[in-house]
Amino acid sequence: LAKTTQPISMDSYEGQEVNITCSHNNIATNDYITWYQQFPSQGPRFIIQGYKTKVTNEVASLFIPADRKSSTLSLPRVSLSDTAVYYCLGARGGDIFGTGTRLKVLA
Amino acid sequence: DTEVTQTPKHLVMGMTNKKSLKCEQHMGHRAMYWYKQKAKKPPELMFVYSYEKLSINESVPSRFSPECPNSSLLNLHLHALQPEDSALYLCASSQETGATYEQYFGPGTRLTVT
Repeated sequence: LAKTTQPISMDSYEGQEVNITCSHNNIATNDYITWYQQFPSQGPRFIIQGYKTKVTNEVASLFIPADRKSSTLSLPRVSLSDTAVYYCLGARGGDIFGTGTRLKVLA
Repeated sequence: DTEVTQTPKHLVMGMTNKKSLKCEQHMGHRAMYWYKQKAKKPPELMFVYSYEKLSINESVPSRFSPECPNSSLLNLHLHALQPEDSALYLCASSQETGATYEQYFGPGTRLTVT
């Protein structure tokens, strides 16, 4: 079963761009890469999903290289309210969560 | 309405009790999920229902018994739990199962087993 790995934690300052990379070396041909955000004591919330190249929505961008063995979530100009855990999912239909990256945004 | 509701928000139960967690969605989704999340850990998939039929059971102990009475409701029946079962239990739904479908999560039920 394909698994994903991410940095355990990251710190950033308000207004900066944050890039979180996820490794999914064994991703299957039909697997999509999906990212969720989770605040304490809340359920995860969908951020963005992609299969290859680049996807952008009003919240983030997702960069996926041609080999699809990794992906990078890009959050433009983060604010304090972006402090959360970010999960990368890239296995078996998107129901297997990675370890998550704890992002702390500092003032 | 893009909301998944879960009741109760908090539950404290003894190891000999029987209780149930409830989850409801009115988005017309045909896939529903139960996850367990321990503190500072990612959600772990427990069960997946597709069109009201159990499609995935991630080797969950039988003291957890899921039920999907109809397409909008998902229950998790609890019996003879252990203290290590204390966790946040999350329900989610998606249009269908599969990689391209976004999951909508409820706020969770915080379960404490004493």
